[in-house]
Amino acid sequence: GQGVEQPDNLMSVEGTFARVNCTYSTSGFNGLSWYQQREGHAPVFLSYVVLDGLKDSGHFSTFLSRSNGYSYLLLTELQIKDSASYLCAVRKPNYNVLYFGSGTKLTVEP
Amino acid sequence: NSKVIQTPRYLVKGQGQKAKMRCIPEKGHPVVFWYQQNKNNEFKFLINFQNQEVLQQIDMTEKRFSAECPSNSPCSLEIQSSEAGDSALYLCASSRDRAAEQFFGPGTRLTVL
Repeated sequence: GQGVEQPDNLMSVEGTFARVNCTYSTSGFNGLSWYQQREGHAPVFLSYVVLDGLKDSGHFSTFLSRSNGYSYLLLTELQIKDSASYLCAVRKPNYNVLYFGSGTKLTVEP
Repeated sequence: NSKVIQTPRYLVKGQGQKAKMRCIPEKGHPVVFWYQQNKNNEFKFLINFQNQEVLQQIDMTEKRFSAECPSNSPCSLEIQSSEAGDSALYLCASSRDRAAEQFFGPGTRLTVL
């Protein structure tokens, strides 16, 4: 929604990795944020990227390509508790309002 | 962990009734945002404040909602006349300035019968 698209679902296996993709086509761009949201809970901030390239934050890494309108969140060494929805949100220059995708529900299986 | 407090967690109203929810931002965060997350997980920005001043709001908010962030009191968002389509999770977020990250509260889940 709102020009920010994510796949609905993603499945992976404990101990491996998962890549959550996000594409955007919004007018105005002031960076992109990733949030984790569990059912019935608040979105939890994970990462913010505004420059192209890979940003390694350990368990979570994020990549951005502004020319392609593309970002991904990479989770490594997956644990069962990483099962959650992952939200991609583009920041607009006007007062940094966030425009969210509908989230990708990640299921990590044993 | 976010320290944004939202009350009540759950709110049930009949159509046409007022629905009011409150938010206490994190200490030291003068910028407050309200978003609506519907059952399809679609987010919609509603309004934001810096201290007591409205920065930006969408048309729907201006017409149907009443919102404020008074000094030394919780921020509030009130739907003047609830409609079935207003059933959603209302999320409040705060940040230390306009350029900083937004941290979310747990939300108020509104059900309009």
